[in-house]
Amino acid sequence: NAGVMQNPRHLVRRRGQEARLRCSPMKGHSHVYWYRQLPEEGLKFMVYLQKENIIDESGMPKERFSAEFPKEGPSILRIQQVVRGDSAAYFCASSPGQETGELFFGEGSRLTVL
Amino acid sequence: GNSVTQMEGPVTLSEEAFLTINCTYTATGYPSLFWYVQYPGEGLQLLLKATKADDKGSNKGFEATYRKETTSFHLEKGSVQVSDSAVYFCAPDGGATNKLIFGTGTLLAVQP
Repeated sequence: NAGVMQNPRHLVRRRGQEARLRCSPMKGHSHVYWYRQLPEEGLKFMVYLQKENIIDESGMPKERFSAEFPKEGPSILRIQQVVRGDSAAYFCASSPGQETGELFFGEGSRLTVL
Repeated sequence: GNSVTQMEGPVTLSEEAFLTINCTYTATGYPSLFWYVQYPGEGLQLLLKATKADDKGSNKGFEATYRKETTSFHLEKGSVQVSDSAVYFCAPDGGATNKLIFGTGTLLAVQP
């Protein structure tokens, strides 16, 4: 069984460019979570999505960041006009439902902004 | 919302030493509690969990007991191995949604 797949694993962007990070949840999972891990910091929740719906975006920066989880295809975290402070590891996790339980994490996408 | 405070690292131990990583949480109600582990270059993996007071989660020799009275979920292992070197995250669930609230993580380095 394929786990949570994230790509790209590594992404380099120059300031002002756009970054798109993709996440395919585990088979049968309809809930996706995005977390950001800054150097020397823990994981910070960003957004929780179900198919075609944003359920909780309380951790998303107000500007430049957006996320979607369309009916077909992977979830996408989009960062417009990247700045150096956006350099981080972005982790996606999925779960089969909203009941309290395990989140299954991908290996992360590491964004470097030059 | 729920929050967690975790023992700061790094924690450096010799092989076969006893491990304790402290974790306390703040929550409304009674959240489920989790320990996740992150090996170098990888994503997080569930290590163990407990869903109600006095439950003990255990896996791979690690244990943690849900202590409602002290709002704690300390991670312990009797004899660590070099392969246990990783970052350990304590996390209560976030309430209404299934999101997990992670601590800062504790880096464990086990030396042979």
